[in-house]
Amino acid sequence: NAGVTQTPKFQVLKTGQSMTLQCAQDMNHNSMYWYRQDPGMGLRLIYYSASEGTTDKGEVPNGYNVSRLNKREFSLRLESAAPSQTSVYFCASRKTPGGDEQYFGPGTRLTVT
Amino acid sequence: ILNVEQSPQSLHVQEGDSTNFTCSFPSSNFYALHWYRWETAKSPEALFVMTLNGDEKKKGRISATLNTKEGYSYLYIKGSQPEDSATYLCAFGGGGTSYGKLTFGQGTILTVHP
Repeated sequence: NAGVTQTPKFQVLKTGQSMTLQCAQDMNHNSMYWYRQDPGMGLRLIYYSASEGTTDKGEVPNGYNVSRLNKREFSLRLESAAPSQTSVYFCASRKTPGGDEQYFGPGTRLTVT
Repeated sequence: ILNVEQSPQSLHVQEGDSTNFTCSFPSSNFYALHWYRWETAKSPEALFVMTLNGDEKKKGRISATLNTKEGYSYLYIKGSQPEDSATYLCAFGGGGTSYGKLTFGQGTILTVHP
């Protein structure tokens, strides 16, 4: 099992460009999450999907959109990148939305110039 | 925005020392409290998930306790080793409209010196 995979691992964008971060899990988990990690800020939830076909905003959703393509895949889109979106992005999944542990992907380091 | 606080922010200990960290979270609308270990250049990995007041969990030299009524959890490491050096994160899972979401603390950075 690969667990949670993310692509790309690194990306540099210019202000205003768009891109999609991909996330997939092979653990048959129902819930998937996108976080960003900034120095001194900890992990902050951008969007999550409790189950296939549902998505909900987290703490910092502005400037992002998500798509739960199927049970395995959950993508994060930046429509018009801004320097404030420079961050490390982590995707995570868990079996149910409740008390289960989360499994994290390796992260995507995004720089917006 | 929920307030989840961890203390201390960082900690330096000698090999063999025992240490503990604190996670404070809202005492209302509680569903679960998670602890994760995050090594440099890796992804966070779960240590414990606790859901009941009074829960105590143990994994090797690491243990955790939970007090949901007063809104805190302690993580203990007995006989710290250099390989325990990492950032330790706690995360609060609420119920109701917050069900399914986790709010993370900023973490405690532990450095264990040989």
